[in-house]
Amino acid sequence: QSALTQPPSASGSPGQSVTISCTGTSSDVGGYNYVSWYHQEPGKAPKLMIYEVSKRPSGVPDRFSGSKSGNTASLTVSGLQAEDEGDYYCASKAGSRLWVFGGGTKLTVL
Amino acid sequence: EVQLVESGGGSVQPGGSLRLSCAASGFSLRTKWMHWVRQAPGKGLVWVSYINNDGTVTTYADSVKGRFTMSRDNVKNTLYLQMNSLRAEDTAVYFCASDLNCGFDYWGQGILVTVSS
Repeated sequence: QSALTQPPSASGSPGQSVTISCTGTSSDVGGYNYVSWYHQEPGKAPKLMIYEVSKRPSGVPDRFSGSKSGNTASLTVSGLQAEDEGDYYCASKAGSRLWVFGGGTKLTVL
Repeated sequence: EVQLVESGGGSVQPGGSLRLSCAASGFSLRTKWMHWVRQAPGKGLVWVSYINNDGTVTTYADSVKGRFTMSRDNVKNTLYLQMNSLRAEDTAVYFCASDLNCGFDYWGQGILVTVSS
């Protein structure tokens, strides 16, 4: 149950796009279409942004999109806004009823 | 409105025990798989445990297997995490979360557990 690999930081200017990667193995990201992404602001609970690789829950803007290729999943935030700042975590199913998170990426809007 | 509210956290000495509760409202707990996720101070999220709808199947991260037990009472709409043989490295904010197709859709506000002598 090793953590998925995310870059520690990412940044972009308002209006730009930024993509955050999440790399695992064939036992987790590559083996299941059950990758999800979360946004966490300081002192708050995480918020689900993407599930099943590319599906957006109700209320999540379509500026957020997800994809996967092989053992790497990606979250793209288009049209960056100040409120998009915070920590982003990926998670993946990692076996029969097992899950694993990534180490997190701190997104800064310049 | 869906709400998950954790309780039962606090400070405990190494080797001690605590029981966390997660009270659900706004939905019937029996309709959802549930999870516990923790976050050590200044660190990332870590999946801890899972339970199926009727509580007959549970799974755990290797780091807590054999020490933590997850259970649920669908009549009381409440989830539990019994934590035994606590270690300093178990110090974290513990979140309960509901499952949406293997993602975590609703989260509690989190409860702090501190293991220290």
